[in-house]
Amino acid sequence: AQTVTQSQPEMSVQEAETVTLSCTYDTSESNYYLFWYKQPPSRQMILVIRQEAYKQQNATENRFSVNFQKAAKSFSLKISDSQLGDTAMYFCAFMKMDSNYQLIWGAGTKLIIKP
Amino acid sequence: NAGVTQTPKFQVLKTGQSMTLQCAQDMNHEYMSWYRQDPGMGLRLIHYSVGAGITDQGEVPNGYNVSRSTTEDFPLRLLSAAPSQTSVYFCASRPAWAGGQEKLFFGSGTQLSVL
Repeated sequence: AQTVTQSQPEMSVQEAETVTLSCTYDTSESNYYLFWYKQPPSRQMILVIRQEAYKQQNATENRFSVNFQKAAKSFSLKISDSQLGDTAMYFCAFMKMDSNYQLIWGAGTKLIIKP
Repeated sequence: NAGVTQTPKFQVLKTGQSMTLQCAQDMNHEYMSWYRQDPGMGLRLIHYSVGAGITDQGEVPNGYNVSRSTTEDFPLRLLSAAPSQTSVYFCASRPAWAGGQEKLFFGSGTQLSVL
């Protein structure tokens, strides 16, 4: 069975700094997706970034980028030039490529951006 | 375009009561699912559906029923509420094929408290 581990329950950084959130996963699958979702205090789940395991190039979305290390089963999220609006829970999630639905989620990291 | 609509947003029940959480999507998505979110844990899949008339159990199905009579609606029924079902519930949907752009579309969640 797949598992997703986020080892940092909480992090805080100053506004404009760069922060990296860690995620490791365990799977025997070779084809899968990895996701980072953001959950602000509004409770809404917002997709931040997605990575296909068959792609070697790391995904980027504006200030958000990932460091995907397939052999190490590591999928970290880097937020550059952090902003107050980045304050949220961040969840890492795994999905098999041929899955009907099954996303496996990490426990989340609470990120606080301080002014 | 409303996306995924969940009602109610908040609900308080007494132990033993029953209720239905409503979920509707207007994107013609084949796949719909229900997750629960508990503090310190990732989202856990309760039930899911890959199309009208087809449902299946997820990781934590006990105490919950679902049905899918239309593509748009996927209600979650609590048969006899228990304090252990106090949680935030999310409904999510996605198309069966997204051309590599897979993502879940989430509702805004229901905060349920069982006394």
